[in-house]
Amino acid sequence: AQKVTQAQTEISVVEKEDVTLDCVYETRDTTYYLFWYKQPPSGELVFLIRRNSFDEQNEISGRYSWNFQKSTSSFNFTITASQVVDSAVYFCALIGGSYIPTFGRGTSLIVHP
Amino acid sequence: GAGVSQTPSNKVTEKGKYVELRCDPISGHTALYWYRQSLGQGPEFLIYFQGTGAADDSGLPNDRFFAVRPEGSVSTLKIQRTERGDSAVYLCASSPRGSPYNEQFFGPGTRLTVL
Repeated sequence: AQKVTQAQTEISVVEKEDVTLDCVYETRDTTYYLFWYKQPPSGELVFLIRRNSFDEQNEISGRYSWNFQKSTSSFNFTITASQVVDSAVYFCALIGGSYIPTFGRGTSLIVHP
Repeated sequence: GAGVSQTPSNKVTEKGKYVELRCDPISGHTALYWYRQSLGQGPEFLIYFQGTGAADDSGLPNDRFFAVRPEGSVSTLKIQRTERGDSAVYLCASSPRGSPYNEQFFGPGTRLTVL
């Protein structure tokens, strides 16, 4: 069985603050992929990033960065200099050998002006 | 190009009724997924298709739920004898051919309310 835990239910920050969203996963598969999706108030989930289990290199895309650490089974997401438009629910997800996606419960990020 | 579309956007029905929810995936996407999302929760996997066949339906909660994709494009999720506990947002996602680990493109969802 696989599991994704997002312990932070809601995070509230003021614009321009940095914020990190935590994601911890469990799987017995050696090959798996991790994902982050954003669900803005409009409702549609939007893909942000995909990472495979063999690539622990961190990634940066503009204000977004991701830290993948197999040793702690974590795939954390940091937003630098947050903006009001970053307000959304963020989901971490895992696809392993069964090809069935497992999503975390999501973290609601509220960025105040 | 057009994204994933779902109809209806909202469906209100009475307990015991039958409902059909439709998903139009992105053209050319061979993989199609159905999820159920309850308030404050992440998407919960129901079923996925590769082409016309259901590759895995292990997430369907019981035999009241059924899904088809007869021509490998549009899919319909069917719920018989609806119960109040079926109330949720039903999401559809599609994914390009190739790796099952591809990112998914989600539709806006159908909000189902069972009275």
